[in-house]
Amino acid sequence: QKEVEQNSGPLSVPEGAIASLNCTYSDRGSQSFFWYRQYSGKSPELIMSIYSNGDKEDGRFTAQLNKASQYVSLLIRDSQPSDSATYLCAAYSSASKIIFGSGTRLSIRP
Amino acid sequence: DGGITQSPKYLFRKEGQNVTLSCEQNLNHDAMYWYRQDPGQGLRLIYYSQIVNDFQKGDIAEGYSVSREKKESFPLTVTSAQKNPTAFYLCASMVLNTGELFFGEGSRLTVL
Repeated sequence: QKEVEQNSGPLSVPEGAIASLNCTYSDRGSQSFFWYRQYSGKSPELIMSIYSNGDKEDGRFTAQLNKASQYVSLLIRDSQPSDSATYLCAAYSSASKIIFGSGTRLSIRP
Repeated sequence: DGGITQSPKYLFRKEGQNVTLSCEQNLNHDAMYWYRQDPGQGLRLIYYSQIVNDFQKGDIAEGYSVSREKKESFPLTVTSAQKNPTAFYLCASMVLNTGELFFGEGSRLTVL
């Protein structure tokens, strides 16, 4: 069974600090990796895509990919209360299937 | 505006009734997906379709049916055979060459 694993949390981070979210995947054939943010009662929103090893930065968000270790992470700098949400990690391989992790609940405390 | 439209947003159903959830996209994406999400849980794949007139079962297809007669539309029917249909249903479409998935706002089904 191909899986994406995340710590369910909750992860509590003080406002202004860096939040670090982690994810591992089992399918070495996965080529593309994504982070989605989901607010309570809402649908997931794509916030980061990463396709090659290394770091990718977009504003306060940095995604990191290490294919050798099968590890993906998301860093959120200068965390804001509006960042409080569940973050879903996903991996895409062949056959048009995308596998989601169960999500990490992040809480930013003032 | 380009996007994915799901309707209705909220739906109540009596036990034994079939219901159909609508999903329409104007993003010109080839692939479309239906997911189910239960409270505090992750996303579970029900059905997906890569091209018109073709679709594949996901992990929890029992009790559900779909059709894909047009590229823009991928309706989901929740049949009376689905034992626990109360859930949040999410439709999505995908950019196939990148794997980026974009979601509609969801439909919340409650069985009374």
